[in-house]
Amino acid sequence: DQQVKQNSPSLSVQEGRISILNCDYTNSMFDYFLWYKKYPAEGPTFLISISSIKDKNEDGRFTVFLNKSAKHLSLHIVPSQPGDSAVYFCAAGDYGNNRLAFGKGNQVVVIP
Amino acid sequence: DAGVIQSPRHEVTEMGQEVTLRCKPISGHDYLFWYRQTMMRGLELLIYFNNNVPIDDSGMPEDRFSAKMPNASFSTLKIQPSEPRDSAVYFCASSWGTGGNQPQHFGDGTRLSIL
Repeated sequence: DQQVKQNSPSLSVQEGRISILNCDYTNSMFDYFLWYKKYPAEGPTFLISISSIKDKNEDGRFTVFLNKSAKHLSLHIVPSQPGDSAVYFCAAGDYGNNRLAFGKGNQVVVIP
Repeated sequence: DAGVIQSPRHEVTEMGQEVTLRCKPISGHDYLFWYRQTMMRGLELLIYFNNNVPIDDSGMPEDRFSAKMPNASFSTLKIQPSEPRDSAVYFCASSWGTGGNQPQHFGDGTRLSIL
């Protein structure tokens, strides 16, 4: 059973515009959420996280929004840059078992 | 700073052979995780260690898979005997603690092909 789901597997966006990635989860016990970025032939790299007690966290061009009632989070990248072209994974965890559940990823292509 | 180091980067072998994947975590990290990535199932956690002790191996697919962490700077994932369905990218990750403020750092993976 997929506890973390990322629909719309690919996204193309013009350089300078906003990229919005969505993620839904089913387990209301998750305590924190993370986004990772992955380039081909490399491992995932941590991007940004958010605690379940917050609804927004911002780090430079990256902002994550959390809507607990809807069990939904999103990642906004603005402005998008060609170097942002990668696969983005949403992940969720709870302090009870230290395991992370990952979505299957969204491919983002930023067009120069 | 050196990141998580995995070897080999690529492994191609015939079914029935033993395969050993290696991982050196980031120095000072006390958690180590082994993941498998496939198209069908995405990234799945196989096993994780805390202070060299296996904590949760519920993701290990079957007895053909085993993992060890003899010391804080080295871990292995072994498949014996290997089967074609084991073909995947295997990632090792480490972290200092757990939680959103202690994200896992991933190696670049081992791409395993079983013929």
